[in-house]
Amino acid sequence: EVQLVESGGGLVQPGGSLRLSCAASGFTFSSYEMNWVRQTPGKGLEWVSYISSSGSPTYYADSVRGRFTISRDNGKNSLYLQMNSLRAEDTAVYYCAKARTSGTGALEPWGQGTLVTVSS
Amino acid sequence: EIVMTQSPATLSVSPGERATLSCRASQSVSSNLAWYQQKPGQAPRLLIYGGSTRATGIPARFSGSGSGTEFTLTISSLQSEDFAVYYCQQHNNWPPMYTFGQGTKLEIK
Repeated sequence: EVQLVESGGGLVQPGGSLRLSCAASGFTFSSYEMNWVRQTPGKGLEWVSYISSSGSPTYYADSVRGRFTISRDNGKNSLYLQMNSLRAEDTAVYYCAKARTSGTGALEPWGQGTLVTVSS
Repeated sequence: EIVMTQSPATLSVSPGERATLSCRASQSVSSNLAWYQQKPGQAPRLLIYGGSTRATGIPARFSGSGSGTEFTLTISSLQSEDFAVYYCQQHNNWPPMYTFGQGTKLEIK
């Protein structure tokens, strides 16, 4: 069974940092592009970042470019999101999601999500 | 940025009836359109990709149609488990700049 499990969320003060992780199992992780997507009650679903199967290239939404860094360790079947200079508007549930097949942006499956709260 | 607009925001339908959900793109996305279902407390689940292809394990009562800027998700005979929020997503850009619609809540009438 393909499974994605996020961790690392929590409460952080504005300006702080947090590193999210996503542990993958049930598929050949190194063969698939991966993404981070976040969800807030007010703005709905927002794509955050993409990483190719090899780790390069990477792409970011304008709202996080320069503050967030996506990375992966194919030897550990893990995806990461380093989040710096966090703002209140970054508060959301963060999901990791696998590209259904190489070269497509259709996402399947998604992890269960991890909640990030940015507040003083 | 390609803006995705879904309508209606809320749709009230009785079990056994047909539901039709719409999604419009601000510019052509070809057939690079996906539909997701999300139930409370759960992650989104892929239903349809490529505008009209059902994902693995998705019942035949779910169908997608459209291309370019106008898309439709149809659920032919609503089951109790189908009441949820549905999102469309375009994945036409390269480099990727995927965008989602704001969602349609399908509720029991």
